[in-house]
Amino acid sequence: AQKITQTQPGMFVQEKEAVTLDCTYDTSDPSYGLFWYKQPSSGEMIFLIYQGSYDQQNATEGRYSLNFQKARKSANLVISASQLGDSAMYFCAMREGYNFNKFYFGSGTKLNVKP
Amino acid sequence: EPEVTQTPSHQVTQMGQEVILRCVPISNHLYFYWYRQILGQKVEFLVSFYNNEISEKSEIFDDQFSVERPDGSNFTLKIRSTKLEDSAMYFCASKGQYEQYFGPGTRLTVT
Repeated sequence: AQKITQTQPGMFVQEKEAVTLDCTYDTSDPSYGLFWYKQPSSGEMIFLIYQGSYDQQNATEGRYSLNFQKARKSANLVISASQLGDSAMYFCAMREGYNFNKFYFGSGTKLNVKP
Repeated sequence: EPEVTQTPSHQVTQMGQEVILRCVPISNHLYFYWYRQILGQKVEFLVSFYNNEISEKSEIFDDQFSVERPDGSNFTLKIRSTKLEDSAMYFCASKGQYEQYFGPGTRLTVT
């Protein structure tokens, strides 16, 4: 079974609108971390946001928030007030167990922001 | 702001040749990783490294691969005899408090 599933290969959003990128995960470990990374066309991987499995509140970082629904095993990324510079690939990732363990990545969602 | 750096940004090599990809992790980080991303695919874990030893490796990381921290700053990935299927973007990462910080990647093209 896939550890991380991203079901939206591509998404369009109008500039200044909010968009939600879906991510579901699969683990039996009670301790895990969930991450979102942005990959622009230039190729680098930019860390956006982190959510720990024991965190009670949803993580937020500026225009990014993580909608963490533990029972559903989902960790959707919400980008508010989309900007043209948000156009990129977005990857959801998970780390199980110790916080130095490897990351599992999803297949990514290509977000296009329209002017 | 400290960042992970990688050299070269692009390496072209012939099949069967050895390549060394170089990384300088963030200076106070202790855990280091190599991942690869074949064009259009997901990022895959190769190996993790701590205290001058491999902590974990994936099934991709076979005998053709090795890692080394030759000094206090560099972290290298060596592929002994490259194959066409080794063509990919290779990312080095180092661990912060929770997240991993990725370098800009080395695009390896094997011809």
